[in-house]
Amino acid sequence: AQSVAQPEDQVNVAEGNPLTVKCTYSVSGNPYLFWYVQYPNRGLQFLLKYITGDNLVKGSYGFEAEFNKSQTSFHLKKPSALVSDSALYFCAVRDSSGSARQLTFGSGTQLTVLP
Amino acid sequence: EADIYQTPRYLVIGTGKKITLECSQTMGHDKMYWYQQDPGMELHLIHYSYGVNSTEKGDLSSESTVSRIRTEHFPLTLESARPSHTSQYLCASSDPGDARELFFGEGSRLTVL
Repeated sequence: AQSVAQPEDQVNVAEGNPLTVKCTYSVSGNPYLFWYVQYPNRGLQFLLKYITGDNLVKGSYGFEAEFNKSQTSFHLKKPSALVSDSALYFCAVRDSSGSARQLTFGSGTQLTVLP
Repeated sequence: EADIYQTPRYLVIGTGKKITLECSQTMGHDKMYWYQQDPGMELHLIHYSYGVNSTEKGDLSSESTVSRIRTEHFPLTLESARPSHTSQYLCASSDPGDARELFFGEGSRLTVL
């Protein structure tokens, strides 16, 4: 079975400060990992994904994520937060072994960037 | 911008009415999905399709039904709406393959009175 956890419901950060949104996962094989962002009253937008290779993945809007196999984590990061980054962020995982039919999404983390 | 469209964006309807939420994509994607997003914002997969004439139920049991007669079109129907169906419904599509990202529509927010 595959699962993903986002341990923080809410993250607050001051504008200009670095931000981190945490994600941990559990799979039986190797993971495919994704981050999505959802702005109010909108659908989800794809930010970045890890399939294989370099553990540091760069994505849209200056976001990046680091895959850590030993800690089974895929935390989303940005060096300098903007107020416009305030949104709901979802981590998702798919087991590459094919044991799961579809993606599993985390419960989401509300990021608020304070001016 | 992803080319996937949902209508209506907002719908308020009375109990017992039949509703259809439309979803269309112009990307030629074989795979399409319906997610239900509850007030706590968690996403639950309720239906998916691998292609024309293929539909499967997702992880969350739903009284809704779907059809896939054309590649680009994946409507969701509730025969008799109830207040418990009040939710945000998100449609998505993707290319085949486990590592492909999903493209989401803007969502349909349904309120059943």
